[in-house]
Amino acid sequence: AQSVSQHNHHVILSEAASLELGCNYSYGGTVNLFWYVQYPGQHLQLLLKYFSGDPLVKGIKGFEAEFIKSKFSFNLRKPSVQWSDTAEYFCAVNAAGNTPLVFGKGTRLSVIA
Amino acid sequence: DAGVIQSPRHEVTEMGQEVTLRCKPISGHNSLFWYRQTMMRGLELLIYFNNNVPIDDSGMPEDRFSAKMPNASFSTLKIQPSEPRDSAVYFCASSPGTAHYGYTFGSGTRLTVV
Repeated sequence: AQSVSQHNHHVILSEAASLELGCNYSYGGTVNLFWYVQYPGQHLQLLLKYFSGDPLVKGIKGFEAEFIKSKFSFNLRKPSVQWSDTAEYFCAVNAAGNTPLVFGKGTRLSVIA
Repeated sequence: DAGVIQSPRHEVTEMGQEVTLRCKPISGHNSLFWYRQTMMRGLELLIYFNNNVPIDDSGMPEDRFSAKMPNASFSTLKIQPSEPRDSAVYFCASSPGTAHYGYTFGSGTRLTVV
């Protein structure tokens, strides 16, 4: 069965700091990878996704993620965070084919002025 | 497109009562998913449907939980009888049915069982 690990439970950064959130998955086959964001009190929204091609994926709001197959990783990055990036971030994976998404437990990001 | 619509947004009920959560997926999406979110366990998949047919309900915690999808535009998740440990946010999501599209989530129903 697939599983997703997000190593950081809570990250606190100052505005303009760089961000990297870790995500590792366990599954030996071809996968689709996603990052979702959940702003306080809101539903999950898709930030970016990878299913093939260039392993460096750019998403909305200046976020990007890099798929490193040899490390089973899909880390999320942003060069300079803003206060409005305060949210919970979820990594998710599904096997190629139409299997359900499996989510990590999430990383809470707090950006302080 | 109005997105995935869930109702109610909030539900407070007494232990032992029946609770019904509702979801309207995006028109044309043929896969529908019910997730439960808690602080302790994160996002858990409860059940999903393809073309209105339940495919995997292994995530449904107990027989007290049941889900139906009578047509392509409506699904319900029912808990009977409800217990305090069922308190959580329940999300419905839909997808066009191809793995790499990802899901569109509804705004969720926050359930509190007292």
